[in-house]
Amino acid sequence: ELKVEQNPLFLSMQEGKNYTIYCNYSTTSDRLYWYRQDPGKSLESLFVLLSNGAVKQEGRLMASLDTKARLSTLHITAAVHDLSATYFCAVGYHTGNQFYFGTGTSLTVIP
Amino acid sequence: EAEVAQSPRYKITEKSQAVAFWCDPISGHATLYWYRQILGQGPELLVQFQDESVVDDSQLPKDRFSAERLKGVDSTLKIQPAELGDSAMYLCASSLPSGNGYTFGSGTRLTVV
Repeated sequence: ELKVEQNPLFLSMQEGKNYTIYCNYSTTSDRLYWYRQDPGKSLESLFVLLSNGAVKQEGRLMASLDTKARLSTLHITAAVHDLSATYFCAVGYHTGNQFYFGTGTSLTVIP
Repeated sequence: EAEVAQSPRYKITEKSQAVAFWCDPISGHATLYWYRQILGQGPELLVQFQDESVVDDSQLPKDRFSAERLKGVDSTLKIQPAELGDSAMYLCASSLPSGNGYTFGSGTRLTVV
């Protein structure tokens, strides 16, 4: 059975600090997505990672993918309050176009 | 920028009533997905279409849920009868057959009272 695990589930951090969210998955995948979700809203696409060693950065967020370890990370640099949201990773499989979501990480950035 | 359209945005319905949600995917996206997201959890796939055909509906509670995509374009998800536990956000997503361009709609927030 496919499993996608994120940790931590809850993260409270001070503004200006750095932190990393982890996404582990159980079977080989050919793509990985990171999404942001604000309360009551839909999912906003942040990154799609397609190959081993892929790294993408947008503002204070940087995502990376290690397909051999079946691990993706979302690194937050110098956090600001506007980054408070829930972050999901989703693991994709070309065969059947299946996407499986992690449990989500609820991030709160404290001024 | 192309979007996945969903309606309604919000729906309140009484227990045992019927309710329907509509989704119009991005033009050219042959694959369409319906997800249910319970508060505090990640999205759970209910049904996946490739054109007008169901690819995966293994997690769809078929005694009360149905989904169709008759012409391979827009899709409707129906619940009849609605139960209190159906209260959730229902999200539609679409993608190209390759899986690229995977995009979510704005969702329908269902409250069953």
